Amino acid sequence: EVQLVESGGTLVQPGGSLRLSCAASEFTFSSYSMTWVRQAPGKGLESVSFINSRSNTIYYADSVKGRFTVSRDNSKNSLFLQMNSLRAEDTGVYYCARAFSGALHGIYYPDYWGQGTLVTVSS
Amino acid sequence: AIQLTQSPSSLSASVGDRVAITCRASQGISSTVAWYQQKPGKPPRLLIYDASTLERGVPSRFSGSASGRDFTLIISSLQPEDFATYYCQHFNDFPLVFSFGPGTKVDFK
Repeated sequence: EVQLVESGGTLVQPGGSLRLSCAASEFTFSSYSMTWVRQAPGKGLESVSFINSRSNTIYYADSVKGRFTVSRDNSKNSLFLQMNSLRAEDTGVYYCARAFSGALHGIYYPDYWGQGTLVTVSS
Repeated sequence: AIQLTQSPSSLSASVGDRVAITCRASQGISSTVAWYQQKPGKPPRLLIYDASTLERGVPSRFSGSASGRDFTLIISSLQPEDFATYYCQHFNDFPLVFSFGPGTKVDFK
């Protein structure tokens, strides 16, 4: 069974930095695009970032562009999210998800999700 | 950027009811829509992708359809485990856009 385990979430002060990690197992990590999705307390889902299998196609939501950096290490089956200049509105559960492509080439959907890691930005 | 809206934002239903949730895109997006189910404290679960393809393991009472800018998730006979929040999601490869609808909460009548 596909496993995705996020880590790194914690309480951080506004303006601070945090690095989230996602450890993947039970699938060929290097063959899949990956994505980070977050959910503020009591709110809906927001796509944060997307990275393809070779790290040459990357997407950021406007709300995090210039502050967050997504990366991956295919040799270690790991996905990362470096978060800088954190704001209170970045608070939420951050999910790592595998993105697979259906019948429509180049269109990706998150199919397997981790349990999430909580990031709290507060003084 | 393409915006997704969902209607209704919430609905109350009973076991056995037929439930329909609509997702409308701000512009044409072909069939690049997925549907997710989320229960409190849990990650989302993929139900439907490419607008109408049922994900493996998802019960056949769930179905999806598309008509123009409107995408619909149908639950043919609501079961107790179906009370949850449902989200639509769109991915566009150029320009790269990845967005979710605001969600529809389905609860007990």
